[in-house]
Amino acid sequence: EDKVVQSPLSLVVHEGDTVTLNCSYEVTNFRSLLWYKQEKKAPTFLFMLTSSGIEKKSGRLSSILDKKELFSILNITATQTGDSAVYLCAVEGYNTDKLIFGTGTRLQVFP
Amino acid sequence: GAGVSQSPSNKVTEKGKDVELRCDPISGHTALYWYRQSLGQGLEFLIYFQGNSAPDKSGLPSDRFSAERTGGSVSTLTIQRTQQEDSAVYLCASSPGTGIPLTYNEQFFGPGTRLTVL
Repeated sequence: EDKVVQSPLSLVVHEGDTVTLNCSYEVTNFRSLLWYKQEKKAPTFLFMLTSSGIEKKSGRLSSILDKKELFSILNITATQTGDSAVYLCAVEGYNTDKLIFGTGTRLQVFP
Repeated sequence: GAGVSQSPSNKVTEKGKDVELRCDPISGHTALYWYRQSLGQGLEFLIYFQGNSAPDKSGLPSDRFSAERTGGSVSTLTIQRTQQEDSAVYLCASSPGTGIPLTYNEQFFGPGTRLTVL
Protein backbone atom coordinates (compact mmCIF):
# COMPACT_ATOMS: atom_id res chain seq x y z
CA GLU A 1 0.00 0.00 0.00
CA ASP A 2 1.33 3.43 -0.93
CA LYS A 3 1.95 5.59 2.10
CA VAL A 4 3.76 8.66 3.35
CA VAL A 5 4.94 9.11 6.92
CA GLN A 6 6.11 12.43 8.28
CA SER A 7 7.98 13.16 11.47
CA PRO A 8 7.88 14.75 13.86
CA LEU A 9 4.15 15.36 14.06
CA SER A 10 4.75 18.61 15.89
CA LEU A 11 7.71 20.87 16.49
CA VAL A 12 8.07 23.96 18.66
CA VAL A 13 11.17 26.15 18.28
CA HIS A 14 12.38 29.69 18.86
CA GLU A 15 13.18 32.17 16.16
CA GLY A 16 16.61 31.61 14.72
CA ASP A 17 16.62 27.87 15.26
CA THR A 18 17.18 25.44 12.40
CA VAL A 19 14.68 22.66 11.89
CA THR A 20 14.66 19.45 9.87
CA LEU A 21 11.39 17.85 8.84
CA ASN A 22 11.33 14.25 7.69
CA CYS A 23 9.26 12.42 5.12
CA SER A 24 9.53 8.70 4.36
CA TYR A 25 7.47 7.00 1.72
CA GLU A 26 6.46 3.83 -0.01
CA VAL A 27 4.97 4.19 -3.46
CA THR A 28 4.74 2.02 -6.54
CA ASN A 29 6.90 3.33 -9.40
CA PHE A 30 7.93 6.55 -7.68
CA ARG A 31 7.79 9.63 -9.87
CA SER A 32 8.10 12.66 -7.61
CA LEU A 33 7.93 13.97 -4.06
CA LEU A 34 6.47 17.34 -3.24
CA TRP A 35 6.57 19.60 -0.20
CA TYR A 36 3.77 22.02 0.63
CA LYS A 37 3.32 24.68 3.31
CA GLN A 38 -0.16 25.00 4.75
CA GLU A 39 -0.89 28.07 6.84
CA LYS A 40 -4.65 28.35 6.62
CA LYS A 41 -6.70 26.19 4.31
CA ALA A 42 -4.89 25.89 1.01
CA PRO A 43 -1.41 24.34 0.81
CA THR A 44 1.16 26.30 -1.14
CA PHE A 45 3.78 24.55 -3.21
CA LEU A 46 7.40 24.59 -2.01
CA PHE A 47 9.47 22.00 -3.85
CA MET A 48 9.21 19.09 -6.24
CA LEU A 49 11.94 16.47 -6.08
CA THR A 50 12.53 13.74 -8.59
CA SER A 51 16.23 12.89 -8.38
CA SER A 52 18.34 11.72 -5.48
CA GLY A 53 21.04 13.91 -4.02
CA ILE A 54 20.09 17.14 -5.75
CA GLU A 55 19.26 19.84 -3.24
CA LYS A 56 16.46 22.24 -4.03
CA LYS A 57 16.82 25.59 -2.33
CA SER A 58 14.62 28.62 -1.89
CA GLY A 59 15.84 31.23 0.55
CA ARG A 60 16.07 29.69 3.99
CA LEU A 61 14.33 26.50 2.86
CA SER A 62 16.03 23.56 1.26
CA SER A 63 15.09 19.97 0.52
CA ILE A 64 16.76 16.83 -0.67
CA LEU A 65 15.59 13.38 -1.72
CA ASP A 66 17.12 9.95 -1.12
CA LYS A 67 15.46 7.47 -3.47
CA LYS A 68 17.49 4.56 -2.14
CA GLU A 69 16.39 5.03 1.45
CA LEU A 70 12.97 6.37 0.40
CA PHE A 71 12.94 9.62 2.30
CA SER A 72 13.22 13.35 1.97
CA ILE A 73 14.08 16.13 4.40
CA LEU A 74 13.01 19.73 4.46
CA ASN A 75 15.38 22.11 6.22
CA ILE A 76 14.51 25.56 7.42
CA THR A 77 17.37 27.69 8.72
CA ALA A 78 17.10 30.82 10.87
CA THR A 79 13.41 30.19 11.46
CA GLN A 80 10.98 33.08 11.71
CA THR A 81 7.49 33.29 13.20
CA GLY A 82 6.14 33.42 9.65
CA ASP A 83 7.42 29.89 9.12
CA SER A 84 4.79 28.62 11.55
CA ALA A 85 2.59 26.29 9.51
CA VAL A 86 1.86 22.68 8.72
CA TYR A 87 4.36 21.25 6.26
CA LEU A 88 2.94 18.52 4.04
CA CYS A 89 4.86 15.94 2.08
CA ALA A 90 3.25 14.15 -0.86
CA VAL A 91 4.40 11.52 -3.34
CA GLU A 92 3.24 10.44 -6.73
CA GLY A 93 3.75 7.25 -8.70
CA TYR A 94 4.00 6.87 -12.45
CA ASN A 95 0.75 4.99 -12.71
CA THR A 96 -1.37 7.77 -11.31
CA ASP A 97 -1.56 11.53 -11.16
CA LYS A 98 -2.98 11.67 -7.66
CA LEU A 99 -0.85 12.67 -4.72
CA ILE A 100 -0.57 10.68 -1.52
CA PHE A 101 -0.12 13.01 1.41
CA GLY A 102 1.41 12.51 4.81
CA THR A 103 -0.32 13.88 7.89
CA GLY A 104 2.06 16.81 8.03
CA THR A 105 4.41 18.32 10.58
CA ARG A 106 3.05 21.25 12.56
CA LEU A 107 5.81 23.78 13.12
CA GLN A 108 5.41 26.58 15.65
CA VAL A 109 8.07 29.25 15.82
CA PHE A 110 7.99 31.52 18.84
CA PRO A 111 9.75 34.89 19.13
CA GLY B 1 -8.88 35.69 -10.92
CA ALA B 2 -6.14 33.35 -11.90
CA GLY B 3 -6.43 30.84 -9.08
CA VAL B 4 -8.72 27.97 -8.13
CA SER B 5 -11.89 29.17 -6.46
CA GLN B 6 -14.29 27.28 -4.25
CA SER B 7 -17.70 28.05 -2.86
CA PRO B 8 -19.05 28.36 -0.33
CA SER B 9 -16.11 29.11 1.95
CA ASN B 10 -18.06 27.82 4.94
CA LYS B 11 -21.09 25.58 5.16
CA VAL B 12 -22.97 24.55 8.26
CA THR B 13 -25.63 21.93 7.80
CA GLU B 14 -27.73 19.57 9.82
CA LYS B 15 -27.14 15.86 9.90
CA GLY B 16 -29.08 14.15 7.13
CA LYS B 17 -29.13 17.09 4.74
CA ASP B 18 -27.47 17.07 1.32
CA VAL B 19 -24.72 19.57 0.46
CA GLU B 20 -23.05 20.67 -2.74
CA LEU B 21 -19.56 22.09 -2.89
CA ARG B 22 -18.32 23.89 -5.96
CA CYS B 23 -14.87 24.19 -7.51
CA ASP B 24 -13.78 26.44 -10.36
CA PRO B 25 -10.35 25.29 -11.56
CA ILE B 26 -7.73 27.37 -13.29
CA SER B 27 -8.71 27.91 -16.91
CA GLY B 28 -7.08 25.38 -19.18
CA HIS B 29 -6.22 22.91 -16.44
CA THR B 30 -7.38 19.48 -17.50
CA ALA B 31 -6.91 17.71 -14.17
CA LEU B 32 -9.10 18.39 -11.14
CA TYR B 33 -8.88 16.83 -7.69
CA TRP B 34 -10.97 16.80 -4.57
CA TYR B 35 -9.35 16.23 -1.17
CA ARG B 36 -10.68 16.20 2.37
CA GLN B 37 -8.81 17.33 5.45
CA SER B 38 -10.22 16.40 8.81
CA LEU B 39 -8.96 17.91 12.05
CA GLY B 40 -5.38 16.84 12.61
CA GLN B 41 -5.29 14.67 9.50
CA GLY B 42 -3.37 14.94 6.28
CA LEU B 43 -5.08 15.47 3.00
CA GLU B 44 -7.25 12.53 1.98
CA PHE B 45 -7.74 12.00 -1.73
CA LEU B 46 -11.38 11.73 -2.79
CA ILE B 47 -11.73 11.88 -6.58
CA TYR B 48 -9.77 12.87 -9.65
CA PHE B 49 -10.89 14.06 -13.09
CA GLN B 50 -8.56 14.12 -16.09
CA GLY B 51 -9.92 15.52 -19.32
CA ASN B 52 -12.69 13.35 -20.74
CA SER B 53 -11.50 10.17 -19.05
CA ALA B 54 -13.61 8.33 -16.52
CA PRO B 55 -12.92 9.83 -13.09
CA ASP B 56 -10.85 8.01 -10.49
CA LYS B 57 -13.34 7.62 -7.65
CA SER B 58 -11.19 5.32 -5.56
CA GLY B 59 -10.97 7.76 -2.64
CA LEU B 60 -14.66 8.38 -2.10
CA PRO B 61 -15.42 7.13 1.42
CA SER B 62 -19.00 6.01 0.76
CA ASP B 63 -21.74 6.03 -1.85
CA ARG B 64 -23.11 9.18 -0.22
CA PHE B 65 -20.28 11.04 -1.94
CA SER B 66 -20.35 11.85 -5.63
CA ALA B 67 -18.78 14.40 -7.91
CA GLU B 68 -19.19 15.60 -11.42
CA ARG B 69 -17.33 17.89 -13.72
CA THR B 70 -19.32 19.66 -16.37
CA GLY B 71 -17.74 20.68 -19.64
CA GLY B 72 -14.30 19.78 -18.37
CA SER B 73 -14.28 22.81 -16.10
CA VAL B 74 -16.40 23.42 -13.01
CA SER B 75 -16.81 20.54 -10.58
CA THR B 76 -19.40 19.87 -7.92
CA LEU B 77 -18.88 17.53 -4.97
CA THR B 78 -22.16 16.32 -3.51
CA ILE B 79 -22.55 14.72 -0.12
CA GLN B 80 -25.93 13.15 0.53
CA ARG B 81 -27.43 12.53 3.96
CA THR B 82 -24.49 14.21 5.69
CA GLN B 83 -23.06 12.72 8.85
CA GLN B 84 -21.06 14.41 11.58
CA GLU B 85 -17.92 12.58 10.48
CA ASP B 86 -18.21 14.37 7.13
CA SER B 87 -17.18 17.58 8.91
CA ALA B 88 -13.88 18.64 7.35
CA VAL B 89 -12.27 21.10 5.00
CA TYR B 90 -12.84 20.07 1.41
CA LEU B 91 -10.07 21.20 -0.90
CA CYS B 92 -10.11 21.30 -4.65
CA ALA B 93 -6.98 21.44 -6.77
CA SER B 94 -6.28 21.63 -10.47
CA SER B 95 -3.20 21.00 -12.56
CA PRO B 96 -2.26 21.25 -16.21
CA GLY B 97 -2.39 17.47 -16.45
CA THR B 98 0.01 14.98 -17.93
CA GLY B 99 2.39 15.66 -20.74
CA ILE B 100 3.79 18.98 -19.60
CA PRO B 101 7.27 18.41 -18.14
CA LEU B 102 8.27 19.69 -14.74
CA THR B 103 5.07 21.52 -13.97
CA TYR B 104 2.33 18.98 -14.43
CA ASN B 105 2.72 17.50 -10.99
CA GLU B 106 2.10 20.76 -9.25
CA GLN B 107 -1.43 21.02 -8.05
CA PHE B 108 -2.85 24.46 -7.45
CA PHE B 109 -5.18 24.41 -4.48
CA GLY B 110 -8.30 26.41 -3.87
CA PRO B 111 -9.08 28.04 -0.51
CA GLY B 112 -11.31 25.15 0.52
CA THR B 113 -14.81 24.82 1.94
CA ARG B 114 -15.16 24.21 5.65
CA LEU B 115 -18.10 21.89 6.17
CA THR B 116 -19.61 21.52 9.60
CA VAL B 117 -22.34 18.94 10.14
CA LEU B 118 -24.28 19.49 13.34
